[in-house]
Amino acid sequence: SAVISQKPSRDICQRGTSLTIQCQVDSQVTMMFWYRQQPGQSLTLIATANQGSEATYESGFVIDKFPISRPNLTFSTLTVSNMSPEDSSIYLCSVRLPTDTQYFGPGTRLTVL
Amino acid sequence: GENVEQHPSTLSVQEGDSAVIKCTYSDSASNYFPWYKQELGKGPQLIIDIRSNVGEKKDQRIAVTLNKTAKHFSLHITETQPEDSAVYFCAARSGGGGADGLTFGKGTHLIIQP
Repeated sequence: SAVISQKPSRDICQRGTSLTIQCQVDSQVTMMFWYRQQPGQSLTLIATANQGSEATYESGFVIDKFPISRPNLTFSTLTVSNMSPEDSSIYLCSVRLPTDTQYFGPGTRLTVL
Repeated sequence: GENVEQHPSTLSVQEGDSAVIKCTYSDSASNYFPWYKQELGKGPQLIIDIRSNVGEKKDQRIAVTLNKTAKHFSLHITETQPEDSAVYFCAARSGGGGADGLTFGKGTHLIIQP
């Protein structure tokens, strides 16, 4: 298995500002992902975080709004830029192990006022 | 891309009875099918998964079955307990080129009645 930590666990932010979320995993993984879970909804993939290169974004998500970094195999950041109330969600880091098993972190609960 | 349908959206069972949640997927190339349990205020917890080369997998009170021909898979929980109450999500990962991430169903709110 994998132990995933996220910081911060929650935050309340003003519209127009940006928040950077950190994800750290305790073992080497093959892939890291960022998901969004809007209130009462299912999970939607934002992007795949690629080590040393630009992230791969899903339809509907763009780099200017959700810049992602992955400087090494076990750490990634997601920034939510120029926030609006519609960005209020849970943001989840996920990792895929060499066994193909996929785990999720505890999430970052973001409220934008 | 992949599309995952999950039913029912809400399931209420008596403690001790069995619960079954069903999912269908659209991409025949999908090869990994995990189930997650999400309690209020927490991240999704992997409870069981199955790969496309296996038809059934069991772990204590939890089992998953996969029918590749019909493109559906199911979660079975036996002898349900109050702590099984949560939202359960199924997911599928496409095996073809493109996104490696998971596509999720909409979730099932499982309620265990004491």
